Parts: sequence; structure tokens; C-alpha cells
Amino acid sequence: DVKVTQSSRYLVKRTGEKVFLECVQDMDHENMFWYRQDPGLGLRLIYFSYDVKMKEKGDIPEGYSVSREKKERFSLILESASTNQTSMYLCASSLGPGQGWDGYTFGSGTRLTVV
Amino acid sequence: AQSVTQPDIHITVSEGASLELRCNYSYGATPYLFWYVQSPGQGLQLLLKYFSGDTLVQGIKGFEAEFKRSQSSFNLRKPSVHWSDAAEYFCAVGARTGGFKTIFGAGTRLFVKA
Repeated sequence: DVKVTQSSRYLVKRTGEKVFLECVQDMDHENMFWYRQDPGLGLRLIYFSYDVKMKEKGDIPEGYSVSREKKERFSLILESASTNQTSMYLCASSLGPGQGWDGYTFGSGTRLTVV
Repeated sequence: AQSVTQPDIHITVSEGASLELRCNYSYGATPYLFWYVQSPGQGLQLLLKYFSGDTLVQGIKGFEAEFKRSQSSFNLRKPSVHWSDAAEYFCAVGARTGGFKTIFGAGTRLFVKA
């Protein structure tokens, strides 16, 4: 089974801190995604990546950046954390269009609280 | 643009009763459609998917869903609910272009009473 591992289950950070959320997948997936999940809003796409060093903005990229230096790792960066970024963050990966895409595999999530 | 609507924020059913969770989507072409389930504190797990072909699709844990193009719907069903089915359920639509980006509904939380 594909595994998507998020490095932290719970994080508490202070306003203004730079925060790194790490995600690693172990099945050579081309695509990786970062979503945030908030009650009543479902999942909203922050950024995604088709390949190494490649990134695309999702629907809510403001205040975030990403890094994909290796195929298996996709990092989400909060440049200066704010309280409105308190949320559950979910990483997902998937095969690419040429690999036989059939949906996402999700990590267990990181619950970030910014105080 | 893609969009997904799950009209029910939460639903309560008795154990052993049947279940139907509603999902309506908007997409300009034939979409990829998914249902995911999320247990408390966990990530999402794929229940089933529709890409093409037979409009009634079977998934894991005894769930099924029916794609109805005329109604732009993809409702999830289960004939007999178990207490362990209590979770949040997300309908999603994936584009066939643009990196297969997936849009999720707001979710329906299922409560199961004994």
C-alpha cells in the first residue's frame, strides 16, 4: 500500500513564526497536494505539484509556499504564521495521468494551532 | 469550473437502517467522481470512484454509488449501516485535465444510533 506520511500530528506555533509541514510518500507518485480542512468548508487546495521543482497554486495559496526538491517529499511553508491559519492540513499524493490516475492517497493530517 | 454540493451537513441513522448520502456536482464534461471517508483524527480514505462505464459502482465496506448524468448526482448508499460507519463522508470531483485537480464537497457527518 502507498503510504503518505506527515511528520507531525499536532503542532502549536506562535504568530509570526515560519512553519514547515513535511509530507513524504513512498510509491513514486508524480502528483502531490496540500489541502487545508476547516469545519463546514471541506477541503480546500493550497498548492500542488506535478513533478520535482514544479508547483502550481491552488484555490487558497495566499500566505503559503511549497517546496519539492525530491519526488517523494512535498513541504508546505507558512512564511509568517497567523491565527487564521489554524487548521487541519492534509497532504495527498496520486499517480499522474500517464501512470493510471485513480484518486488520492492521504496522510493522517497535521493539526496546526497558531497562538 | 468544478464544484460539489453535499446538501446534508449531518445525518443520523439507526444501526441496521439503510443510508443514502447526497452529492451534486457541476462540471463541463464527464467528471471523475469519488467518495472518501474520514474517521475522527484521520486522513481521508477512498471508498469508491466512477470514471466511466457502469453507472453503479461498488466500493469498500459495502458502499455503492450511482452516477446519474441527467441529475448531476453521485449519491452514496449502503443497505445496512453499522456503528463503525460513523464518520465524515466527502464527495469529490476530479478534472480530466489540469493535473487531475480534485474539488471536495463540504462533507456530511454520519451519526449512527444504537
